[in-house]
Amino acid sequence: GNSVTQMEGPVTLSEEAFLTINCTYTATGYPSLFWYVQYPGEGLQLLLKATKADDKGSNKGFEATYRKETTSFHLEKGSVQVSDSAVYFCALRGGQAGTALIFGKGTTLSVSS
Amino acid sequence: DVKVTQSSRYLVKRTGEKVFLECVQDMDHENMFWYRQDPGLGLRLIYFSYDVKMKEKGDIPEGYSVSREKKERFSLILESASTNQTSMYLCASNEGTYNEQFFGPGTRLTVL
Repeated sequence: GNSVTQMEGPVTLSEEAFLTINCTYTATGYPSLFWYVQYPGEGLQLLLKATKADDKGSNKGFEATYRKETTSFHLEKGSVQVSDSAVYFCALRGGQAGTALIFGKGTTLSVSS
Repeated sequence: DVKVTQSSRYLVKRTGEKVFLECVQDMDHENMFWYRQDPGLGLRLIYFSYDVKMKEKGDIPEGYSVSREKKERFSLILESASTNQTSMYLCASNEGTYNEQFFGPGTRLTVL
């Protein structure tokens, strides 16, 4: 079945460091891919998405490119801020659950000043 | 802005109690979802609904039921709460097949 694998956390960085959070997926057909972010004490918010191969999603300085050949959707940001500290979830839509999302286990990012 | 609200942020119940978690969305979305979030496991789908009175099981429906009597409201029911249902519960909604899901703030349920 469909699944999402994210790198284990926590990830600890200093402000202005480069961020990469790896995400790979297994899916039949052509899934859509998402990154969601969960700030402390809040629900999940969509950060960015890509709906077909080679699409690049971007928002708030974060980027991710849908790579079908490597089945990956890695999240990157060139210079992180303390306010980026949160839990990041990679997700895909598809499979038996229809429009429901299949999530990775989440990666906790902690940025210090 | 789309708003998804959940009836409680924190809830403490006793083993064996019947528990109701309520979710309301204000954007006339046809699809609504209940997930549970546990450390190291991410989010797992419990149930979803694509229309009033319609429901589909997700990945972990055991021990749960749902009710959707009105389009804007989707309730998760724990018929007899158990300690292994202590978790964060997240509700979400969206419209159509390809649109993003909007999440509520979550209910942290503790079963003693």
